[in-house]
Amino acid sequence: SAVISQKPSRDICQRGTSLTIQCQVDSQVTMMFWYRQQPGQSLTLIATANQGSEATYESGFVIDKFPISRPNLTFSTLTVSNMSPEDSSIYLCSVANRATGELFFGEGSRLTVL
Amino acid sequence: RKEVEQDPGPFNVPEGATVAFNCTYSNSASQSFFWYRQDCRKEPKLLMSVYSSGNEDGRFTAQLNRASQYISLLIRDSKLSDSATYLCVVNGAESNTGKLIFGQGTTLQVKP
Repeated sequence: SAVISQKPSRDICQRGTSLTIQCQVDSQVTMMFWYRQQPGQSLTLIATANQGSEATYESGFVIDKFPISRPNLTFSTLTVSNMSPEDSSIYLCSVANRATGELFFGEGSRLTVL
Repeated sequence: RKEVEQDPGPFNVPEGATVAFNCTYSNSASQSFFWYRQDCRKEPKLLMSVYSSGNEDGRFTAQLNRASQYISLLIRDSKLSDSATYLCVVNGAESNTGKLIFGQGTTLQVKP
């Protein structure tokens, strides 16, 4: 298993500002994943953060809105840019066990945009 | 059609009841299947993987029907602590790349 730490755990932000979420893993992993869970919804993959290359974004998500950094094999950041109330959500960092496919999640960052 | 579909419920059952959740998926190339549990305001955690031969873990039984692209979870002798949202999860590619597709979840409320 992996221990994943995210911060901030929650934040309340003003419309038009940006917030960067940090994710730290206790072991080296090739890929880290960023998911979003909107209120009352299930999880949606935003992007895959690859070390040494640009992140791979899923349909409906773009780098300008959700820039991602992956400076090393244990750390990644996700920025939510130019926020609007529709960005209010829980953002979850995760890593996968490549042998089994199981995902391990951080505790999530709960973002509220006013 | 959603890639992973579940009945959202809620399922309200008394303690001791047996309850079954169903899930269908659209990508016939999917290779890995899971049930995750998510408690209120918490992150999802793996409940069990689903194998082709079916698998059982205590009161929980998971089954996979590849021909019908259908997954099920059976909970026997429900406990109050089983109250949670159960997420059907399927990998979205042919290998364990970590790209998992989550169903919308089925909410279970077990009552005394």
